[in-house]
Amino acid sequence: KAGVTQTPRYLIKTRGQQVTLSCSPISGHRSVSWYQQTPGQGLQFLFEYFSETQRNKGNFPGRFSGRQFSNSRSEMNVSTLELGDSALYLCASSFGLLVEVNTEAFFGQGTRLTVV
Amino acid sequence: GQQLNQSPQSMFIQEGEDVSMNCTSSSIFNTWLWYKQDPGEGPVLLIALYKAGELTSNGRLTAQFGITRKDSFLNISASIPSDVGIYFCAGDHRDDKIIFGKGTRLHILP
Repeated sequence: KAGVTQTPRYLIKTRGQQVTLSCSPISGHRSVSWYQQTPGQGLQFLFEYFSETQRNKGNFPGRFSGRQFSNSRSEMNVSTLELGDSALYLCASSFGLLVEVNTEAFFGQGTRLTVV
Repeated sequence: GQQLNQSPQSMFIQEGEDVSMNCTSSSIFNTWLWYKQDPGEGPVLLIALYKAGELTSNGRLTAQFGITRKDSFLNISASIPSDVGIYFCAGDHRDDKIIFGKGTRLHILP
């Protein structure tokens, strides 16, 4: 079956702009979680959506937001981009919530965002 | 927030050698996960551990969930060139959701 699909793969934006990233989960999966990966901070959890509702949120500013649609596809939006937002943004899908026992998250290839 | 200490940060080994890496925390985790990430790709789940003391193998990989629930290790036996990459541990801590270690970068010398 098809894996997790993220689009676009690469993106270059200017400071102050906003960006929207997309994630299509594995068919049948209802949870989509988003992560930011940087060399300095490693992988950090942004938020998780399940059945169109945000269920969990990491320690990121309000400029980072997301949503999930009825088909479980999810988008992540970052407003007023800063240079430090340059990172690989990964999404992962899972059947159940991340905190549920035996829930395994499968990652997409990521969107590499460069802010100039 | 909670943190996972993953070590070593990087390893240089000869092909055929065994590899061992571990993650520790001051907090208790409910689940331990081990991922491998190749350049330009997202992490791929290698092994998932759900019970304290659990020892699980996946081919040449073996991982264990520490008895104290505060640590886990991953062993790779008889390393091969395709084992090169970054290995991440991750823990499911209910308050902070899922937390990742900083990764162990594995290099295999020719």
